[in-house]
Formats: sequence, C-alpha cells, structure tokens
Amino acid sequence: NAGVTQTPKFRILKIGQSMTLQCTQDMNHNYMYWYRQDPGMGLKLIYYSVGAGITDKGEVPNGYNVSRSTTEDFPLRLELAAPSQTSVYFCASRREALDYGYTFGSGTRLTVV
Amino acid sequence: AQTVTQSQPEMSVQEAETVTLSCTYDTSENNYYLFWYKQPPSRQMILVIRQEAYKQQNATENRFSVNFQKAAKSFSLKISDSQLGDTAMYFCAFMKRVGNAGNMLTFGGGTRLMVKP
Repeated sequence: NAGVTQTPKFRILKIGQSMTLQCTQDMNHNYMYWYRQDPGMGLKLIYYSVGAGITDKGEVPNGYNVSRSTTEDFPLRLELAAPSQTSVYFCASRREALDYGYTFGSGTRLTVV
Repeated sequence: AQTVTQSQPEMSVQEAETVTLSCTYDTSENNYYLFWYKQPPSRQMILVIRQEAYKQQNATENRFSVNFQKAAKSFSLKISDSQLGDTAMYFCAFMKRVGNAGNMLTFGGGTRLMVKP
C-alpha cells in the first residue's frame, strides 16, 4: 500500500497564480484532512472531508477550496496565491470517526513569491 | 477550543542519555486522546505514542514513555537511551474522543530535539 500520496513535493508560485495540490489515499479511508505547517509551528487544519461529496472548513480555510468527488482523492485548490500561503501542506486520512490512527502524506512545500 | 503548549522550542541530549519533552494542554473535554508525533528532516509525520485520557496507566512504546497527569493537563514524553535517529521535531497533539469526523488534531508548536554523539 502506498498510503497517502501527495504531489508535487515542491512548488514555487508567483503571487496571483493558482494551483492544485493533489492528495490520494489507497486505504479506503472515509475521512481526509488538509493541514498547513508554517515554519517552526505545529499543523493547522484547513479543510476536511467525511466522505465523497462532503467537505467542511477547518481552522484556517480562507484562500483555499477543496472537493471530494471520490473516496481516494482530496485535492486542495489555491485560487490567488499570496505570500501568506507559503507553507508546507500535509494531507492526512483516517478510517473512521473514532479511529485515532491518522496517516499523513509526506507534504508539499509551497513558496509564493 | 483546545490549546496545546510546548514550552521548550529546542532541546539537546547526549546519545544514550534520557530526555523529557514537556507538553501542557487546555480543554474542557473529559474524553480525549493525546499524541506525540515525530517529524524528522524528511517531513514525514510519524506517530510515536498515544494516550487515551480515560486510562490512568501511562503509555509506553519501547524507549518512549509518557507521564500523563490529567488533573494538571500535562503530557510529557520521555525518551530513554537516546539515539542519533531520534533527532527530529516533536509535536504534542490533542484530539477529542467523540464520534465526529471533524475531530481534528490540535498541535503544539513543537520541540526541536538534537541528539549529540
């Protein structure tokens, strides 16, 4: 099993550009999450999904959008990149609501210049 | 809302010695999980150890153990016989234990641990 796969691993964007961070899991997990990690800080939740077709905002959703058309995929969209979105982005998944076992991807390092 | 505080931004320890990382949290919940995650330079988030709040016994995983003080809302991580491969960022995290998929992990700011040869 590949677990949680994120692409790309690194990206540099110019201010105002848009991009999609891809996240795929092959564990048939219902719940998926996007976190961001700013330098020297812990992770903060951006968006989450409880299943295909259902998404909800986390702690820091502004400037981002998500979709969940399949169980496997949970892409994160940045429409108008800003320097404040320079961060490392982690996708995570878990099997069910009471399952504490989060599986994290290896992250995408995004720099907005 | 929950908060998690790690008061030690950086720590160092000699190889083979013992080190303790501190974590305090604030919550009004009674049922919850606490975690320690390790993040090496590879960026991968690796679960080190977990503790269910309803269990009084402190969790242990090989060289890693916790000191869970529920009344004091303290959750420290002890690493025994430190190894060079333990060098990493360590994050303390909290999660409510209810049937809600929005139960996100709330992370502390991290402690950077350096194990010296």
